[in-house]
Amino acid sequence: ETGVTQSPTHLIKTRGQQVTLRCSSQSGHNTVSWYQQALGQGPQFIFQYYREEENGRGNFPPRFSGLQFPNYSSELNVNALELDDSALYLCASSQAGVRTDTQYFGPGTRLTVL
Amino acid sequence: GENVEQHPSTLSVQEGDSAVIKCTYSDSASNYFPWYKQELGKRPQLIIDIRSNVGEKKDQRIAVTLNKTAKHFSLHITETQPEDSAVYFCAASWGSARQLTFGSGTQLTVLP
Repeated sequence: ETGVTQSPTHLIKTRGQQVTLRCSSQSGHNTVSWYQQALGQGPQFIFQYYREEENGRGNFPPRFSGLQFPNYSSELNVNALELDDSALYLCASSQAGVRTDTQYFGPGTRLTVL
Repeated sequence: GENVEQHPSTLSVQEGDSAVIKCTYSDSASNYFPWYKQELGKRPQLIIDIRSNVGEKKDQRIAVTLNKTAKHFSLHITETQPEDSAVYFCAASWGSARQLTFGSGTQLTVLP
């Protein structure tokens, strides 16, 4: 098992609400990437945080936003939730530099939007 | 951006047989190709990876091969066991953030 942790494990929200998901990176890792995994599909890249700044973004609207803290932990915020936002949200940590792309995933947060 | 295609979507093998999963990628700038195993309800687990300066890598029963010219890479599992049953994802790393683009997954079932 990796040292990446996420909270909460499960979450149920209604359309239009806002949600915050949290991730603690593995010891020694300073980069956090967030992915959305819809049922039966591969994870899709949302964005990455390094040195407390967004370092790359996938094809997701601005209502998906994030933060990284000095201890390298990170938050994913989603505003104005839509039914299609129901998915498993995964964070992955890595060490910037040569091994930025060697990513280790947390257990995920299962978000259900009703 | 990068596009990764993965085949087959489902694969059933008898215990002890070999399994092969294939992926192709589109961006010739991609240079890192990991494979993840995801059991039902669990996190994707990195099982093996390969960088573009290497053609093949092996770790016990698992091996990955890479053909840069053809832009495809494959996962080989030998002497399969029931605990190998899971969904396997290939991925390619690209872009300034070295983000991963994943294939659509292969459901591997090892029949006892």
